[in-house]
Parts: sequence; C-alpha cells; structure tokens
Amino acid sequence: EDQVTQSPEALRLQEGESSSLNCSYTVSGLRGLFWYRQDPGKGPEFLFTLYSAGEEKEKERLKATLTKKESFLHITAPKPEDSATYLCAASHASGGSYIPTFGRGTSLIVHP
Amino acid sequence: ETGVTQTPRHLVMGMTNKKSLKCEQHLGHNAMYWYKQSAKKPLELMFVYSLEERVENNSVPSRFSPECPNSSHLFLHLHTLQPEDSALYLCASSPLRTDATIYNEQFFGPGTRLTVL
Repeated sequence: EDQVTQSPEALRLQEGESSSLNCSYTVSGLRGLFWYRQDPGKGPEFLFTLYSAGEEKEKERLKATLTKKESFLHITAPKPEDSATYLCAASHASGGSYIPTFGRGTSLIVHP
Repeated sequence: ETGVTQTPRHLVMGMTNKKSLKCEQHLGHNAMYWYKQSAKKPLELMFVYSLEERVENNSVPSRFSPECPNSSHLFLHLHTLQPEDSALYLCASSPLRTDATIYNEQFFGPGTRLTVL
C-alpha cells in the first residue's frame, strides 16, 4: 500500500531560524513527488515537482530535495508569511493516470 | 475569473437533502479532480476526469455522484449524506502530460466547506 508520512506534524520557528520538513514515501513506481502550501481557508498551492533522486528545486526561501525514500523541504531564514501547512504528495501510475497519495501535512508557524 | 473557482463556499445540509457542488477552471486544463479534506487526515482523492472521461473512482460511496459535462466544469452531486461526510471538498485541475497521461502539478480551488446535520 502506498504511504506518505510527513514529519514533524507541527513546527514552530523564530523568524530567521532555518529548518527542514520531511516527507518519506513508499510508492511503487514513483512518478513524481509534489510539495504544496496550504493557507487556512484556502486550497493547496503548488510549489515544486521532483521526479528523480538527486533532483533539487528552489523558490525564494524554499528548497526541495529528493532521495529514493524521502524528500525534504528546507526553509532558509523563514519569515512570518511562510506560516502555513505544507503538504507532500507522491504519485504512482494507475493505467493511464498518475494517482497522488498525500501526507497529513506539516503545520509551520514562524514567529516574528 | 481566473484559476479554479468553487461554489458554494459553504453548505449546510440535512441528511435527506440533495445538493450539488460546482467547480469551474479557467486554465485550459483537461483533467479535473475531486478531493475530500477532513481534519487531521490526508487529502483523499475521490474522482478523476481526463478529457471528460472518468478515469478514477477511489471507492467512493454512491451517495457522491460526479459529473463532468466539459473540460471546464465539474460537479459533485450529493444525496442522503451522513454526518461523517462533513469536510472541505476541494476541486483541482491539471494539464495533460505530453504522453497524454495526467497529473502534472495540480491547481486547486478554495474548496466548499460542507456540514451535514
């Protein structure tokens, strides 16, 4: 059974205090690892797609990396506006479709 | 309107009611999805449509009935729901990949907060 586990469940940081969020996955035939950001009362917002081990992508203070078993979302010098829930999803092939399995998310709060 | 829109944003219904959720995407995508998001649970994929054809039905109870009349519109028809169906229902869309398979990155709407009394 495909599984995606995110840790920690919740994270509190001081502004400027860098940290990493973890997403470990067990998916047969990974077809993509996705990171999303979700603000309260809103739908998830796409951040990154990673397809192969060793791949890295960056956007402002965020950097996503991928190994064969897990992905990390590194947050460098976070600001209060980075506070949100960060979701990870791993997709596998099902017929002609790629089906995503989501983790429960990491709730990040950055204090000024 | 831009992106993915959903109406209504909030819905309260009794267990004997029939209601419908509407989703519209303005991104020119060809795949659309319904998800259920409950507190403390992962996003649950419910249905997937590709080029208006249902390609995935994730063991969803028959009291949820999807409809995709064209690639821009997606509906979720609800009838005789249970209180445990109360959740945030999210619609998403994505383009097709170059090999015509789906699931590039998805673009989500704001969701409909459903409460079943």
